[in-house]
Amino acid sequence: NAGVTQTPKFQVLKTGQSMTLQCAQDMNHEYMSWYRQDPGMGLRLIHYSVGAGITDQGEVPNGYNVSRSTTEDFPLRLLSAAPSQTSVYFCASGQGEGTGELFFGEGSRLTVL
Amino acid sequence: AQSVSQHNHHVILSEAASLELGCNYSYGGTVNLFWYVQYPGQHLQLLLKYFSGDPLVKGIKGFEAEFIKSKFSFNLRKPSVQWSDTAEYFCAVNAQTGRRALTFGSGTRLQVQP
Repeated sequence: NAGVTQTPKFQVLKTGQSMTLQCAQDMNHEYMSWYRQDPGMGLRLIHYSVGAGITDQGEVPNGYNVSRSTTEDFPLRLLSAAPSQTSVYFCASGQGEGTGELFFGEGSRLTVL
Repeated sequence: AQSVSQHNHHVILSEAASLELGCNYSYGGTVNLFWYVQYPGQHLQLLLKYFSGDPLVKGIKGFEAEFIKSKFSFNLRKPSVQWSDTAEYFCAVNAQTGRRALTFGSGTRLQVQP
């Protein structure tokens, strides 16, 4: 059972480049979300989804897009990367509408130069 | 919207010392409460959770937490820490109704010295 799989684990971008962080889960969870983790600020919610075709903004959505075409996948897109987006990104999934018991991926460390 | 405060940013303890990490939340309605742990180089894992009932909840690895509704607190405790407890600990909360996305505190880094 793979759980939540994130790719890539590490990425370096130049300002203005675009990229997609991939997230896949094999637990048939309805709820999926993306967080960013920055020192001293804990985890902040970027976007979340309560099911295929449904997405909503979290606390810090600017500069990020998401889509949920299948139950399994929830990619996070950076259309024009900025240095302020340098962070560690975590994808998490859970049952229902996010009861709070989340299962996390191993994280993707992104550096924007 | 809810918010979570963790006042201890960095705690250093010797092995066998007792641990208490503070967590306070702000929200007008009923909430679910959680503690997650992130060991060095690993992803977050659920340590324990409180939904309702007995306000003293026990989690894995000897951790427990007490929900005090009047104080909006959910402090994490362990009677005797081990070197392997070195990690970052996050308190989290979500509302039981309405928008239920999980909100995390800023985390407490625990360093246990042998």
